[in-house]
Amino acid sequence: GAGVSQSPRYKVAKRGQDVALRCDPISGHVSLFWYQQALGQGPEFLTYFQNEAQLDKSGLPSDRFFAERPEGSVSTLKIQRTQQEDSAVYLCASSFGSGGRSNQPQHFGDGTRLSIL
Amino acid sequence: TQLLEQSPQFLSIQEGENLTVYCNSSSVFSSLQWYRQEPGEGPVLLVTVVTGGEVKKLKRLTFQFGDARKDSSLHITAAQPGDTGLYLCAGASNTGKLIFGQGTTLQVKP
Repeated sequence: GAGVSQSPRYKVAKRGQDVALRCDPISGHVSLFWYQQALGQGPEFLTYFQNEAQLDKSGLPSDRFFAERPEGSVSTLKIQRTQQEDSAVYLCASSFGSGGRSNQPQHFGDGTRLSIL
Repeated sequence: TQLLEQSPQFLSIQEGENLTVYCNSSSVFSSLQWYRQEPGEGPVLLVTVVTGGEVKKLKRLTFQFGDARKDSSLHITAAQPGDTGLYLCAGASNTGKLIFGQGTTLQVKP
C-alpha cells in the first residue's frame, strides 16, 4: 500500500502476557518512529530507527519495551509482561530522510489500540 | 526537557465561529508542525512552519510561527462541522523525533 500500515489494529491481552506490534513503513523511507498515545492526549516518542540502526530509545518506558527493525524496513515493537498502564494506542511513523533533517514530514499509520485487562 | 503547552485542551463552538489554538514552549524548535487527528486514525500533517514570524494559510486555517520560534498558533475562520477533531502541534528536535503538545479537541456543532 501507499501508506504506513500497522497490525493488528486492535489487541487485547491479559496482564502479564507478551505482545508484538508490527509496522510496515512506506517503501524507501529511511526513518521510522514509534509513539505511544493515551486517550485524548498527544503522542509521546518511544524510539527511532534510521534504517536498521536504533539511534534513539530514550522514550521507552521500561526494559519491558523492545523494538527492532532488522532489515531496515518492517519494525516490531514488543512489550513483555504487559501491565494495565501499557494500555494505549501505539503509532508508527516513517519519513524519507534521516532524522537530522527535521523538516521531513512524518507519515503516520492508524495505530494499534492495545488494551490490557 | 523540551515541552510544548497547548491550549485550550477542549473547545466546543457553533458552526461559523472563529477560534485560535495556541502552542507555547520555553525551547526553540527548528520547525513546528500542526497535525489533525480523527478517531481511530493516525495524525495527518497540516503544515510545517520553519522561519520565525512565518505565516501560512490553508483555506480557512492560518498558522503562525513566533519570531523566536518558541510558539505557534492556529486560527480557524468560520469553523465547520468537518473541522471537528484533535489538533496537535509538534516541535521537531534535531534528531527528527517529534515532541507533541497535549492536543486540542475541537467540536464544531452544526
